[in-house]
Amino acid sequence: KQEVTQIPAALSVPEGENLVLNCSFTDSAIYNLQWFRQDPGKGLTSLLLIQSSQREQTSGRLNASLDKSSGRSTLYIAASQPGDSATYLCAVGGTASKLTFGTGTRLQVTL
Amino acid sequence: EAGVVQSPRYKIIEKKQPVAFWCNPISGHNTLYWYRQNLGQGPELLIRYENEEAVDDSQLPKDRFSAERLKGVDSTLKIQPAELGDSAVYLCASSFPGTGSYEQYFGPGTRLTVT
Repeated sequence: KQEVTQIPAALSVPEGENLVLNCSFTDSAIYNLQWFRQDPGKGLTSLLLIQSSQREQTSGRLNASLDKSSGRSTLYIAASQPGDSATYLCAVGGTASKLTFGTGTRLQVTL
Repeated sequence: EAGVVQSPRYKIIEKKQPVAFWCNPISGHNTLYWYRQNLGQGPELLIRYENEEAVDDSQLPKDRFSAERLKGVDSTLKIQPAELGDSAVYLCASSFPGTGSYEQYFGPGTRLTVT
């Protein structure tokens, strides 16, 4: 059974800092990996999706990497802003459709 | 392009009462998912549909939960009777496997409180 762990559980950084969120998974036989953002009381917004054959994906200030052999993914956020404050969830696709989620990292970016 | 639509957004019911949630996926997305998210946890899959067929319902508590997807578009998730432990956010998502990516798009969710 796939298990997904996200560290740290919570993170507070001052505005402008670069930061890295970590995700680890136990079964390296994955189809894809997706990073989501969730604001309080809201649904999930897809940020980046990495196929199993890819090593990284970039969108604006976000960069996600994938190392299947070590069972790890990172989400890098450059020049953080208060609007980045949210919970970030990592989800591993073990088959073509089924996602297993981590418990998330709650990020707060302070002024 | 409209996103995944869910209703209601919030629902408060007493235990033992029935409740139903509705989802309209993104147009053209033939794969539909229902997830349950408990407080402080990541979402967990309840059921997945390919068109109108439920292809993965292994995590659905079938004694009290049921779901349907008529005509392979809208879907309804029902709980009867509800228990206190069912309080959670129920999320619907959809994807279009034709791209090969299976990227999932989520709706805003229904927050259920059972008292």
